[in-house]
Amino acid sequence: DAKTTQPNSMESNEEEPVHLPCNHSTISGTDYIHWYRQLPSQGPEYVIHGLTSNVNNRMASLAIAEDRKSSTLILHRATLRDAAVYYCILIGRGGSNYKLTFGKGTLLTVNP
Amino acid sequence: GAGVSQSPSNKVTEKGKDVELRCDPISGHTALYWYRQSLGQGLEFLIYFQGNSAPDKSGLPSDRFSAERTGGSVSTLTIQRTQQEDSAVYLCASSLDVGTQYFGPGTRLLVL
Repeated sequence: DAKTTQPNSMESNEEEPVHLPCNHSTISGTDYIHWYRQLPSQGPEYVIHGLTSNVNNRMASLAIAEDRKSSTLILHRATLRDAAVYYCILIGRGGSNYKLTFGKGTLLTVNP
Repeated sequence: GAGVSQSPSNKVTEKGKDVELRCDPISGHTALYWYRQSLGQGLEFLIYFQGNSAPDKSGLPSDRFSAERTGGSVSTLTIQRTQQEDSAVYLCASSLDVGTQYFGPGTRLLVL
């Protein structure tokens, strides 16, 4: 199974941009890069996903390296409500690896 | 529309008792998943339902665990003869076919 590597924790100030990195050097050509986050005492929440091109939605942007071996989740203006654990995972195009496996993720702390 | 809902939100039970946890997926979602998350740990896959296909039960930790999905919609996870190590947050997710998973708020189970 392709694995991802993320920093254990990151810290940001409110209203500043946050760049959360993820390495996935063994990614296959059919793997989508997904990001989920989990706020304290809540279920995981889908954030964004992409394949090759950079993606934007109302929550965040996803920047994918040309070789696809790494990606960065970008929160353009962090708020206190963005404090959560962020998980980067790979899901095959056919959805064959539907059993989501979250590792420890990155704990994002947002300072007021 | 409504998201994934789960009930009860909290359950305290005595060791040896049976418990039933309920999940109402998003309307129209054909895939339904059960996970559990122990304190400070990642996500552990339990079982997956897709349409009328036989469920993938490969993640169930023991034969005390079972799940049903009636009419392709509501699902019930049953834990018989609960043990203290069953204490965790039980999360349900649903997706349209096999795709982005949307999680419910979870049921916090405490076995005394």
